[in-house]
Amino acid sequence: GNSVTQMEGPVTLSEEAFLTINCTYTATGYPSLFWYVQYPGEGLQLLLKATKADDKGSNKGFEATYRKETTSFHLEKGSVQVSDSAVYFCALSDRDSWGKLQFGAGTQVVVTP
Amino acid sequence: DGGITQSPKYLFRKEGQNVTLSCEQNLNHDAMYWYRQDPGQGLRLIYYSQIVNDFQKGDIAEGYSVSREKKESFPLTVTSAQKNPTAFYLCASSIDSVAGSTDTQYFGPGTRLTVL
Repeated sequence: GNSVTQMEGPVTLSEEAFLTINCTYTATGYPSLFWYVQYPGEGLQLLLKATKADDKGSNKGFEATYRKETTSFHLEKGSVQVSDSAVYFCALSDRDSWGKLQFGAGTQVVVTP
Repeated sequence: DGGITQSPKYLFRKEGQNVTLSCEQNLNHDAMYWYRQDPGQGLRLIYYSQIVNDFQKGDIAEGYSVSREKKESFPLTVTSAQKNPTAFYLCASSIDSVAGSTDTQYFGPGTRLTVL
């Protein structure tokens, strides 16, 4: 079956540091890949997505590239801010699973001033 | 404004009681979903509905029930059969979920349920 593995947190960074959150997946089909962000006490917000190999999703300074050869979708941001402190979830949706999302466990990111 | 609303934000329940969590969307989406989130874990799918009057069990449906009488509404009932119901519950919707579709899911703000 489908699965998503992402790096464990918490990840603690200083403001303006470079952020990378690793995400790898296993899927039988050709999935779409997503990054969602959850701020404390809130629901999930879509951060970015990519629907086919070599696509790059980007939003709010975050980027992730769909790498089929390494089955990865790592999230990066060049210079984080305190407001980026949140939990980040990698997820996939496979055409054969009727749009259902398979989530990773989430990675908490803490950015300090 | 279009979006997904969930109510209440916080809910307290005594053991042995059934409670119903509300989820409403005005996005005209066909598909709706319920997830459960526990600390340090990803989201797990409870139930989903692809169309009105139809729904399917997700990965952890035991102790839960749903209905989909209207396109806009997908209430979740946590029954007394659910052994460990304390969690954060999230509702989501997407345009459709027919085979071959991988549409983005949009999430509500969540309901935090605590069993006393």
